[in-house]
Amino acid sequence: GAGVSQSPSNKVTEKGKDVELRCDPISGHTALYWYRQSLGQGLEFLIYFQGNSAPDKSGLPSDRFSAERTGGSVSTLTIQRTQQEDSAVYLCASSPGLGEQFFGPGTRLTVL
Amino acid sequence: GENVEQHPSTLSVQEGDSAVIKCTYSDSASNYFPWYKQELGKRPQLIIDIRSNVGEKKDQRIAVTLNKTAKHFSLHITETQPEDSAVYFCAASIQGGSYIPTFGRGTSLIVHP
Repeated sequence: GAGVSQSPSNKVTEKGKDVELRCDPISGHTALYWYRQSLGQGLEFLIYFQGNSAPDKSGLPSDRFSAERTGGSVSTLTIQRTQQEDSAVYLCASSPGLGEQFFGPGTRLTVL
Repeated sequence: GENVEQHPSTLSVQEGDSAVIKCTYSDSASNYFPWYKQELGKRPQLIIDIRSNVGEKKDQRIAVTLNKTAKHFSLHITETQPEDSAVYFCAASIQGGSYIPTFGRGTSLIVHP
């Protein structure tokens, strides 16, 4: 079956521009996570959606970052006024809620 | 909040040797401990996990052990092969609680043929 997909796979933008990153989770998975992975670094938690509950935004690094999940499925991570330090791979993962997370291929964001 | 420490950051072994990666966690409420493998340029994938009601779990050449008292867990890979070369991440989370895992910083395993 289809796994988690993300688009675009690569995004190059200029400093100060806004970007939107999309995640299509596995159908039926109630939990969705966004992570950021800088070069050679670990997985930095950003935001977590579970069903219809209010998202846990405790990992968002600044108010320039926001995310939404429409209809309990597709999620969009928006970064406003991008900065060079936002350059990283943004990974999305979904889970049926009992442990294992299934990761997408990631979006590599480069801010010039 | 939870803090997960992972060691070593880099591990180099000869093909056929064993490899051990260790993680410690701080929150005694954590009850789910997965290990993910991330090959270069690829997405992380779960290779094995363990829950707090079990001390050890094995799947062919890989095994995970958990010591709840000491709050540490380890990944053991026996008879390593070049295709085991990757970055391995441990994580800890509270299933039935926040469900948000805290990841270790990763171990780069290099298996030399």
